[in-house]
Amino acid sequence: TQLLEQSPQFLSIQEGENLTVYCNSSSVFSSLQWYRQEPGEGPVLLVTVVTGGEVKKLKRLTFQFGDARKDSSLHITAAQPGDTGLYLCAGSAMNRDDKIIFGKGTRLHILP
Amino acid sequence: SAVISQKPSRDICQRGTSLTIQCQVDSQVTMMFWYRQQPGQSLTLIATANQGSEATYESGFVIDKFPISRPNLTFSTLTVSNMSPEDSSIYLCSVKGLAGGIRTDTQYFGPGTRLTVL
Repeated sequence: TQLLEQSPQFLSIQEGENLTVYCNSSSVFSSLQWYRQEPGEGPVLLVTVVTGGEVKKLKRLTFQFGDARKDSSLHITAAQPGDTGLYLCAGSAMNRDDKIIFGKGTRLHILP
Repeated sequence: SAVISQKPSRDICQRGTSLTIQCQVDSQVTMMFWYRQQPGQSLTLIATANQGSEATYESGFVIDKFPISRPNLTFSTLTVSNMSPEDSSIYLCSVKGLAGGIRTDTQYFGPGTRLTVL
């Protein structure tokens, strides 16, 4: 069974601080997605990373896919209260299966 | 990307009753999925909705409890049958791959249906 381990599970920091969320697995993924979910809404796609070593930036968010395509990280610079939410990583397996698997999520709370 | 709508957005139901949730996509998609998200938890895949045939269920989920329909490439329903309080959850529709388009691994989600069973 493929698993995606996310850490930390919970994070509460002050506005303006930096943070990194990690997503790790022993399995190789063809791609990995990061989603953000706010209360009462469905997950919203932030980014898809496909190539090992790939780095993508979305304003203050930087996403990296590990060289071996087994892990990924999300770094937020100068966090703002609007960044508060549940961050989910999800991976697409290397086999023919079209399903993606989700990590347990990181619940982030930015204090003003 | 596709725009996904779900109805109802929320409902409160009595134990023993059934609720059907609808998922409508604004474009034809190759794959549709149904997920459950229990309070404070991540997403768990219930089943893949297959057009014109029976859905493919994940371990722990059965057709009698969660019958699914997918009559075409833009619409699917999930029924939660004989509900109990343990079924209280958010149910999410998800889609992948525009029909006739380039294969993509990216999935998009609907806004969810928040179900409370009393």
